[in-house]
Amino acid sequence: KAGVTQTPRYLIKTRGQQVTLSCSPISGHRSVSWYQQTPGQGLQFLFEYFSETQRNKGNFPGRFSGRQFSNSRSEMNVSTLELGDSALYLCASSLKDEETQYFGPGTRLLVL
Amino acid sequence: KQEVTQIPAALSVPEGENLVLNCSFTDSAIYNLQWFRQDPGKGLTSLLLIQSSQREQTSGRLNASLDKSSGRSTLYIAASQPGDSATYLCAVTSQTGANNLFFGTGTRLTVIP
Repeated sequence: KAGVTQTPRYLIKTRGQQVTLSCSPISGHRSVSWYQQTPGQGLQFLFEYFSETQRNKGNFPGRFSGRQFSNSRSEMNVSTLELGDSALYLCASSLKDEETQYFGPGTRLLVL
Repeated sequence: KQEVTQIPAALSVPEGENLVLNCSFTDSAIYNLQWFRQDPGKGLTSLLLIQSSQREQTSGRLNASLDKSSGRSTLYIAASQPGDSATYLCAVTSQTGANNLFFGTGTRLTVIP
């Protein structure tokens, strides 16, 4: 069974631009969560989607948004990019609540 | 707010040694705890999941324990190998019906051949 896939793997953007990242969960998994990883703040939860609905949201500004499609694929969007948004963005999927989460390889975003 | 701490931040051991990584969390009302490893520049690989009702889980050379009341977990690695070199992260879920993980700061492990 294929794992969690994320595209693109690397991105370079400039301040003020917007970016969209994509995540395809493991087949059959309906929960998709997004995390931001930086050297200074570590891994922080962004939001979780389940059956096309945002179920939980972390403490990030409204510039960070996401959505989930009927096939469980998810996208996250960051508008008006700032230098501090440079990070590794990870998504994870799980089959059931409170069960093992499986992570993708991440998208590394560099904002110049 | 849940806070998760891992000690030590870095650890170097010679190959073959047994070792223990520590994880502590401030709010004992957790639903589960997971241990992950992360290789440089890569995503996370799940190692073990312990439900709040369990005391330990084992997988191969790995054994994780959970003391929910004291807010602690340990990951024991037996007979360490150079391939075990990675950053180890623990994470807890604090809300039922949700999958948002609170991560620790990680322990970077180096196993010296």
